[in-house]
Amino acid sequence: RKEVEQDPGPFNVPEGATVAFNCTYSNSASQSFFWYRQDCRKEPKLLMSVYSSGNEDGRFTAQLNRASQYISLLIRDSMLSDSATYLCVVNPNAGGTSYGKLTFGQGTILTVHP
Amino acid sequence: EPEVTQTPSHQVTQMGQEVILRCVPISNHLYFYWYRQILGQKVEFLVSFYNNEISEKSEIFDDQFSVERPDGSNFTLKIRSTKLEDSAMYFCASRTTTGGAYGYTFGSGTRLTVV
Repeated sequence: RKEVEQDPGPFNVPEGATVAFNCTYSNSASQSFFWYRQDCRKEPKLLMSVYSSGNEDGRFTAQLNRASQYISLLIRDSMLSDSATYLCVVNPNAGGTSYGKLTFGQGTILTVHP
Repeated sequence: EPEVTQTPSHQVTQMGQEVILRCVPISNHLYFYWYRQILGQKVEFLVSFYNNEISEKSEIFDDQFSVERPDGSNFTLKIRSTKLEDSAMYFCASRTTTGGAYGYTFGSGTRLTVV
């Protein structure tokens, strides 16, 4: 099983649509979870952290289910500028020895069209 | 906003040549990393560096790779004898002492092409 697994898409949605991305992770000891955004040939940029209680940042909502080892990202009112690859990222932090290593999923490609 | 600076942005090298990728992390950061991303694939961890030594490395980071922080500001990744499969985007990152991705900043990357 892959450490972090995502549906690669692509997701092709019209402006204003709501779109949801899912992610699963294999290491049950993982401590920290994030969604990153990556534009074509650019560096990953932190979109938001993911907490067990669920958290929202504007049009973006992230959820974590530790029991199922499942993470989600919901984007409401999609905008053209949301077109990017969305990366599910986990910090294993197993036993505190990971020194902050991040484990990335393959990414989900989103294209928002007019 | 403080940045992680990487040079060069693009490097083309012949197979078997040595390359050095350079990074200037954010000045008050203490943890330093190299990641790579082969075109069309996921971002992969290579190595972490803390307190002037490697703290963790992946299976990818074999004897052909080395890292250095020679002068307290630069952080370099050396590939001794490049192979075609080393062609990738290499990202440097640094972070503060807080955990996870908090304070984690990536550089804009060096695109390495081995011909």
